[in-house]
Amino acid sequence: GENVGLHLPTLSVQEGDNSIINCAYSNSASDYFIWYKQESGKGPQFIIDIRSNMDKRQGQRVTVLLNKTVKHLSLQIAATQPGDSAVYFCAENTQGGSEKLVFGKGTKLTVNP
Amino acid sequence: EPEVTQTPSHQVTQMGQEVILRCVPISNHLYFYWYRQILGQKVEFLVSFYNNEISEKSEIFDDQFSVERPDGSNFTLKIRSTKLEDSAMYFCASSENSINQPQHFGDGTRLSIL
Repeated sequence: GENVGLHLPTLSVQEGDNSIINCAYSNSASDYFIWYKQESGKGPQFIIDIRSNMDKRQGQRVTVLLNKTVKHLSLQIAATQPGDSAVYFCAENTQGGSEKLVFGKGTKLTVNP
Repeated sequence: EPEVTQTPSHQVTQMGQEVILRCVPISNHLYFYWYRQILGQKVEFLVSFYNNEISEKSEIFDDQFSVERPDGSNFTLKIRSTKLEDSAMYFCASSENSINQPQHFGDGTRLSIL
C-alpha cells in the first residue's frame, strides 16, 4: 500500500550539532523521493530529492540517504542552525507514471541556541 | 527565485457557498497540482493538471471540485457547495515536467468554512 511515515514526530538539537530526520516508506515501487521543509505559515519548501537508482545525494549542508532494502530515507543536516527549525516532510512518488506525491506526517525540528 | 503565488492567503466562507482559490504557477512550468492539508494531518494530493486537462486525481477530488487554467498564468481550484470538512490549507504546486521532478509549492490558502 501507500504509506510514508516518520519515525519521530519531534527532534530537538543544539545549534551546531548535526540533525538526522528519518522516514520509512512501504511501497517498494516508489522511485523518487523528496524532502521538504515547512516553516510556520508557509508552504512546503523543496530541499533535496533522490531517485531510486542512487543511495546518497548531497546538497548544501544536507545529505539524503536512501536504503531501498529496508525502505528507509533519511535527511542529515550538518551544523544545524536556528533557521533550520521547521517541520520536515518526506514525500514519495508512488509509482512510475503517477504524478502525485505521497507525504509523510512530518517531523518538527527545534534547534536550541 | 521564481515562486508559486497563491491568493487569498485566508478565505472564510459560509457552508454551502462556492469558493475559488487562485494560484499563479512558476512561469515555465507545465504541470500544476493542488494539495490540501487538514490541520495536524499530512499533505494530501488532490489533482494534477497538464495541457489543459486533469491528468490524475485522488478520491478526495470528487464532483464538488474542479480546476481550470483560465488564462496563460492562473490556475484555479473551485469548490462548490462547501462543507465544514473542507476547512484546510490548500497548496498549489507546479513542476517543469511530471515524473521525477521536484514540485514547488506556494504558501497556501487557509480555507475556513463556517
